[in-house]
Parts: sequence; structure tokens; C-alpha cells
Amino acid sequence: GQNIDQPTEMTATEGAIVQINCTYQTSGFNGLFWYQQHAGEAPTFLSYNVLDGLEEKGRFSSFLSRSKGYSYLLLKELQMKDSASYLCAVRDHQGGKLIFGQGTELSVKP
Amino acid sequence: DADVTQTPRNRITKTGKRIMLECSQTKGHDRMYWYRQDPGLGLRLIYYSFDVKDINKGEISDGYSVSRQAQAKFSLSLESAIPNQTALYFCATSETSTDTQYFGPGTRLTVL
Repeated sequence: GQNIDQPTEMTATEGAIVQINCTYQTSGFNGLFWYQQHAGEAPTFLSYNVLDGLEEKGRFSSFLSRSKGYSYLLLKELQMKDSASYLCAVRDHQGGKLIFGQGTELSVKP
Repeated sequence: DADVTQTPRNRITKTGKRIMLECSQTKGHDRMYWYRQDPGLGLRLIYYSFDVKDINKGEISDGYSVSRQAQAKFSLSLESAIPNQTALYFCATSETSTDTQYFGPGTRLTVL
């Protein structure tokens, strides 16, 4: 079966660092994605990890441990515009499909 | 211009009506997808297509049908709309190498 877990909600302060965790149990694994979605808008691609380790892209970094079925998204120097839902998605082992978690709603406070 | 477009952006209809949602893309991707999003349930896959002659059911295909008219066009139909199909619908395309998906702006559908 497929199961992806993320916290439902998180709150952080402007200028701070926040880590959003994602754990997954899937019948196969072929890569993990993070997407950002502002309310009422389309999800937009943030990062893709297929090998273990940390991928850094500006203020955002994503980490993957395949043996632990675990990933996190790290957001540094938080800005108010980072308030959004963050979706973790696993690429199906047969390729083509993504399985999405329910998303983590991040609120950034002044 | 947007790479993935959806029409209409908003639609209110009545129970029993036939509805078609359209998606077009200029990204040149072979793979296209239809999702619905409901509060607390995340994105759920309705149908997907890996090329013009390929159509596959997703996890929630009942009550929906699709048509892949061309590489760039993928339409979703609700043959007889019902209120629990009220949701935000997204079309997406993906590149074959990594399956990174790119989403359209969404269609907000309300069935009364």
C-alpha cells in the first residue's frame, strides 16, 4: 500500500527556520517531490530528490533518507509570503504517477 | 502565456448536467493528468495519459471520463454531475525523465 504522512499544520516566525517532515511507506520508490501551494492556486514545483542527501536551492533545502522512508523540507529566513501549504509526493516505482500527501499548512507570523 | 491552461476557471452547475473541463499545454509534454482537490483530502488522481493513445484510470475515476484529443489537449467530463463532485480540479503535465509535474491554474466546480 501507499502511505504518506505530513503534519497538518505548522506555525513559525518571520525570519526563522522551519523544517517540514514527510514519512512515506510505498510499495516502490522512484523519487520524492516537494510542492508549494498558496490558497486557491496551483501547486508549484520546489524540489526533487532521488538519492540520499541534501539538495539546496536558495532559501529552500530538501533532504531524503531512502532507508528511513523520510524526507524534510527546510525553509530558511522565513518570509510572510512563505505562508502556504507544502505537499510531499512520492513518484510511483513504475514511473509516471505521483502519490501526494495531504499537505502541511504553514503559517508565518510577524 | 501560461504553459498549462484550464477552461473554465469557475463553473456552477446543477445536479445531472454534463460538464466538460478542458486543459491545454504548450510544454510539449506527452504525459497529462487530472486531479481533484478537496479540503483535508489532498490531491487525488482521476485519470492520466502517457500519450495520445494511452488512457489510464486513477484512484477515483468513477463518475468521470476523459478524452486525449491531441498531445496538447486533455479533457475531463462529468457525464451526470452530482454535488459530491464539487471540488477544485487541476490538470497537470509532466516530463518523462523525472515526472516533475506542472499544474494548470485549476477549475473550481460547484454542483448544486
